Amino acid sequence: GNSVTQMEGPVTLSEEAFLTINCTYTATGYPSLFWYVQYPGEGLQLLLKATKADDKGSNKGFEATYRKETTSFHLEKGSVQVSDSAVYFCALNPLSSGSARQLTFGSGTQLTVLP
Amino acid sequence: DSGVTQTPKHLITATGQRVTLRCSPRSGDLSVYWYQQSLDQGLQFLIQYYNGEERAKGNILERFSAQQFPDLHSELNLSSLELGDSALYFCASSPQAYNEQFFGPGTRLTVL
Repeated sequence: GNSVTQMEGPVTLSEEAFLTINCTYTATGYPSLFWYVQYPGEGLQLLLKATKADDKGSNKGFEATYRKETTSFHLEKGSVQVSDSAVYFCALNPLSSGSARQLTFGSGTQLTVLP
Repeated sequence: DSGVTQTPKHLITATGQRVTLRCSPRSGDLSVYWYQQSLDQGLQFLIQYYNGEERAKGNILERFSAQQFPDLHSELNLSSLELGDSALYFCASSPQAYNEQFFGPGTRLTVL
């Protein structure tokens, strides 16, 4: 079946530090990949996505590249801010396009950024 | 704001009771998904509806049921509640031809 593995948290960084959160996946075919962010007390917000190999998703300074050869979709940001403190979820959808299917999520990584 | 609404925001009830969670998808979205988020199980897919029809089932207990109405809003019914059912329940919706899902703010259920 499909699965997503995220690096264990929590991750604590100082403001302006470089962020990497690792995500690897197992799926048949060509899944679409997503990063969602959950701020305290809120629902999940789509941060970025990639629908095919070598696609790079980007938003708000965050980036992730769909690497089929390593089945990875690592999240990166060059300079984190205190406001980036949240839980980050990597997720996959088993179809690359067409009708939506349920998402499979990783366990989430808690990020805390200190001033 | 994702455009997906969920009510109520919080729900506190006792073991053995039955509750109903409501979700209104984004305008024009035909697919509705329900997920459960708990500390020990993480985010788990429960069930999907598409234009009123059940499309997929995940780890949904037999005590739980859902439906999607002609106006596309959906309800998740949880019965014979147990302490372990305490969790955040999210609804998400997606456009017909895309695979992005947009999440509501969730309903926090506490079973005492």
